[in-house]
Amino acid sequence: TQLLEQSPQFLSIQEGENLTVYCNSSSVFSSLQWYRQEPGEGPVLLVTVVTGGEVKKLKRLTFQFGDARKDSSLHITAAQPGDTGLYLCAGAIAYGQNFVFGPGTRLSVLP
Amino acid sequence: EPEVTQTPSHQVTQMGQEVILRCVPISNHLYFYWYRQILGQKVEFLVSFYNNEISEKSEIFDDQFSVERPDGSNFTLKIRSTKLEDSAMYFCASSSRLAGGAETQYFGPGTRLLVL
Repeated sequence: TQLLEQSPQFLSIQEGENLTVYCNSSSVFSSLQWYRQEPGEGPVLLVTVVTGGEVKKLKRLTFQFGDARKDSSLHITAAQPGDTGLYLCAGAIAYGQNFVFGPGTRLSVLP
Repeated sequence: EPEVTQTPSHQVTQMGQEVILRCVPISNHLYFYWYRQILGQKVEFLVSFYNNEISEKSEIFDDQFSVERPDGSNFTLKIRSTKLEDSAMYFCASSSRLAGGAETQYFGPGTRLLVL
């Protein structure tokens, strides 16, 4: 059973600060996705990473996939209140295999 | 931009009743999934579906659950006899293959099921 862990579980920061959240596993993933989920809504895909060492940027968000494809990080620069939400990582071992979700990091950005 | 849609958005039912949750995946996607999320807990995989059959299912997906793709566009999850613990947000997802064989998965907005 693949287990994805995310840290920290909760994070509360001031607007303008930088932050990094982590997603770790002992399993190797063929692809890993980051989502943001608002209360009462479905997860919204932010990015998919597939290559070990890959770095993707999405405006102020930088995603990195570990060289061994077992871990990933999400870095947010100059956080804004609109970044508040639950950040989930999910990995699949192979195409067609179900995605396993981590428990999420709940981010709160205070104005 | 294409998206996964789900109906209804909310469903309230009595314990023991049957419910059918409906999803329309993105049209050129080949894999379809159901997940659930109990309030305050993490997203849990239920079942994946490919080529008109179940490709993988979790321990949660017992005999009271079934899935169907009745008409080539809809993808349904049926719960035959609902229990209180089935109360959750149910998400449908569909995926396409990226170059190199990896996969990207898109979620619907969810159906909130409340079993009384």
